[in-house]
Formats: sequence, C-alpha cells, structure tokens
Amino acid sequence: SAVISQKPSRDICQRGTSLTIQCQVDSQVTMMFWYRQQPGQSLTLIATANQGSEATYESGFVIDKFPISRPNLTFSTLTVSNMSPEDSSIYLCSVGRGIDYGYTFGSGTRLTVV
Amino acid sequence: KQEVTQIPAALSVPEGENLVLNCSFTDSAIYNLQWFRQDPGKGLTSLLLIQSSQREQTSGRLNASLDKSSGRSTLYIAASQPGDSATYLCAVRLNTGNQFYFGTGTSLTVIP
Repeated sequence: SAVISQKPSRDICQRGTSLTIQCQVDSQVTMMFWYRQQPGQSLTLIATANQGSEATYESGFVIDKFPISRPNLTFSTLTVSNMSPEDSSIYLCSVGRGIDYGYTFGSGTRLTVV
Repeated sequence: KQEVTQIPAALSVPEGENLVLNCSFTDSAIYNLQWFRQDPGKGLTSLLLIQSSQREQTSGRLNASLDKSSGRSTLYIAASQPGDSATYLCAVRLNTGNQFYFGTGTSLTVIP
C-alpha cells in the first residue's frame, strides 16, 4: 500500500491565522481525501482533492475556509484558514488506488488553536 | 444517509482474552468495509478490508466478518496483548461515491 508523509505532525496556532498541511505520497494515487477528527469524535470527510481541478467539498465545508490544492497525483495541501478554537482537531490525509482497494491514511496533523 | 455504530464504546480486558468488537450500519448497499486501529493522537492503520461479496477476512490474530444483509461486521481479536490497546474504527463505503462512513470507534484496553 501507499506510504504517506503528512506534515506537520502537530502545531499550536493563534486564532485568526492559517495553517497549511501537506500530504506527500510515495506513488501516484487516483483518490486523495482530507478528513477531520474533532476531539472525541470519529472522522468526517472534508473534501476530495481532485488533481488539476477544484476540490469537491462535503456539506458543511467550504473552499474559503479549507482551500485545497492538488497539483499532481502524489501531493496535496489543505489550508485551515482564519482559525478559531473550534478548528482544533486532527486533520488526516487519505489516499486510495481504486474502488476495490481500501484507503491508507497519513499519520495526521494535531492542530490546537489558542 | 449511512449511519455506522460501534458497540461497545470502550472495552477493558485482561491479557490473553479473546474479544469481539461490533460494527453495525444502516444502509446495506455497501461496496466494502474496512477496519482500522488508531493509537492516541495518531493516524489510522488499516487492519482488514472486506469486499461486499466476502464473508470474512483474516490477518494473524485478527478475523473480520461481514453480514451485509443484517448490516453487521465483527472484528475478532484472539489472544489479546497490551499492544492491542487502541481505538478500533470500522468504515463502510457505499456502492455510490468515494466516501467512507466511519463509526465512532471502540476504545480497547488490554491489561497486562
């Protein structure tokens, strides 16, 4: 399965600032996703990162708050913009090779907004 | 909308015991189901993937079963070890779309 490098692993940020999270995969993958896991909660899909086009966002998530880039088949970034304490969560990158295969997750970015 | 429930929410067992974790889902039109483990503050590690046409999958001390018609999956852990302590998540993928729907997880503690 693919190996994912996700950076940073953790960060503490000031309210009102932005943080960009990177996801680098060791092989080309068809599908890349960004998830959020709020404290004590399960994972919620933020968006599907589409190579060369705008990301597809799930209900409740918008591009202005969570802009996503995917310039090629091995790399994507998620930015958490204008952060508030409610954005404190673990953010995870996930990739899949195809519909018959499971998904692989990065190690996550633990974000704390103060 | 697919809803995924995991019972129990937390489980504590002595080392060496066999145990079963449960996952139920409301929409049986699933494509596959995947079990993950998550260590505190970390990402997810894939354990087993079961396609909708399969009944079970095995990997080492782990065995996952799937009963699609009743909307249930179980993860059986044999001879539990303290290193098995983690949160276990199940996730289902529907026949349409790419999204995985995650359960809320079972937090397992194996006591030495």
